[in-house]
Amino acid sequence: GENVEQHPSTLSVQEGDSAVIKCTYSDSASNYFPWYKQELGKRPQLIIDIRSNVGEKKDQRIAVTLNKTAKHFSLHITETQPEDSAVYFCAASSWDSNYQLIWGAGTKLIIKP
Amino acid sequence: DVKVTQSSRYLVKRTGEKVFLECVQDMDHENMFWYRQDPGLGLRLIYFSYDVKMKEKGDIPEGYSVSREKKERFSLILESASTNQTSMYLCASTGPGQGYEQYFGPGTRLTVT
Repeated sequence: GENVEQHPSTLSVQEGDSAVIKCTYSDSASNYFPWYKQELGKRPQLIIDIRSNVGEKKDQRIAVTLNKTAKHFSLHITETQPEDSAVYFCAASSWDSNYQLIWGAGTKLIIKP
Repeated sequence: DVKVTQSSRYLVKRTGEKVFLECVQDMDHENMFWYRQDPGLGLRLIYFSYDVKMKEKGDIPEGYSVSREKKERFSLILESASTNQTSMYLCASTGPGQGYEQYFGPGTRLTVT
């Protein structure tokens, strides 16, 4: 079955710097890759997603890139701010999975003032 | 706005008790999920349901069962609670109109003593 690995488990960056979180997946049939953000004490929420027919997607300070050949995708956050501090989860899914997501283990992002 | 609610935010039960966790969504979603979240282990799927009375095992179904008698409600049952089931339990739902986006409930922090 599908397996998603996420690195690093913890990432500490200076406010204003960029942060990059990477995920790899094993199932070449996967075609949907979302990223969720979970702030302390709150529920996970979708922040950006990408489908396999697209290589990159941007939304203001966040972007996601996908390399289907290498089976990896990354989340990029530029000009980090204190409110970016959270746990970020990547996930993968395929069209025949009944909307089931296979999750990475999460990355705790710490923004240092 | 999609709303997913869970019956309790915090729950304390004794070993051997039968525990019911309820999840209700108001968006007519076909698919509902129960996850368990533990530090460093991400979101692990316990069970999911893609229709009323339908259920499928996730990655860690042992010790749990589920019930989906109505489309909007998905219940997680711990038949005989054990201390290793102390955890945060998150419910989520999604439907065709939402693409693959999963909407999460606020979570139930269960402590088994």
